[in-house]
Amino acid sequence: GDSVTQMEGPVTLSEEAFLTINCTYTATGYPSLFWYVQYPGEGLQLLLKATKADDKGSNKGFEATYRKETTSFHLEKGSVQVSDSAVYFCALVGSGGSYIPTFGRGTSLIVHP
Amino acid sequence: NAGVTQTPKFQVLKTGQSMTLQCAQDMNHEYMSWYRQDPGMGLRLIHYSVGAGITDQGEVPNGYNVSRSTTEDFPLRLLSAAPSQTSVYFCASSYSTGGLDGYTFGSGTRLTVV
Repeated sequence: GDSVTQMEGPVTLSEEAFLTINCTYTATGYPSLFWYVQYPGEGLQLLLKATKADDKGSNKGFEATYRKETTSFHLEKGSVQVSDSAVYFCALVGSGGSYIPTFGRGTSLIVHP
Repeated sequence: NAGVTQTPKFQVLKTGQSMTLQCAQDMNHEYMSWYRQDPGMGLRLIHYSVGAGITDQGEVPNGYNVSRSTTEDFPLRLLSAAPSQTSVYFCASSYSTGGLDGYTFGSGTRLTVV
């Protein structure tokens, strides 16, 4: 079945550092890929998405590129802020017809001033 | 536009009690789902619905019931609460089946079963 693997956290960075959170997936066909963010005490919010190979999703300074050859969708940001501290979830929706989304376990990001 | 509204935000139950977690959305979304979030386990799908009158089981349905009589509402019922059901519960909705355009999540219900 479909699966999503994220790097384990927490990821701890200083403000203005470069961020990468790794995400790889296993799925048949051509899934759609997503990143969600969860701030403390809140529900998940869609951050960005990509629906086909080589697409780049971007939002609020975050970017991720759909790499079919490496089955990856790594999240990056050039300069993080304290306000980016949150849990980030990688997710996919498969193309096989079931349309039930699969989420990774989440990666906690802590940004220090 | 309220989005997805979950009530209550916090609840403490005694083992064996029953209760209903409410979820309502005002975006005319067809697809709605319930997840539970536990430390180290990520999100696990409990039940989902692709439209009014249609529901199906997810990964962890035991101990929970759902119904979908209207497009707007998707309540989750705990039949006889157990400590293993202590968790944070999220309701989510999407315009398209399976969230191909992304999900909108509620703010969650934090449930403790003692």
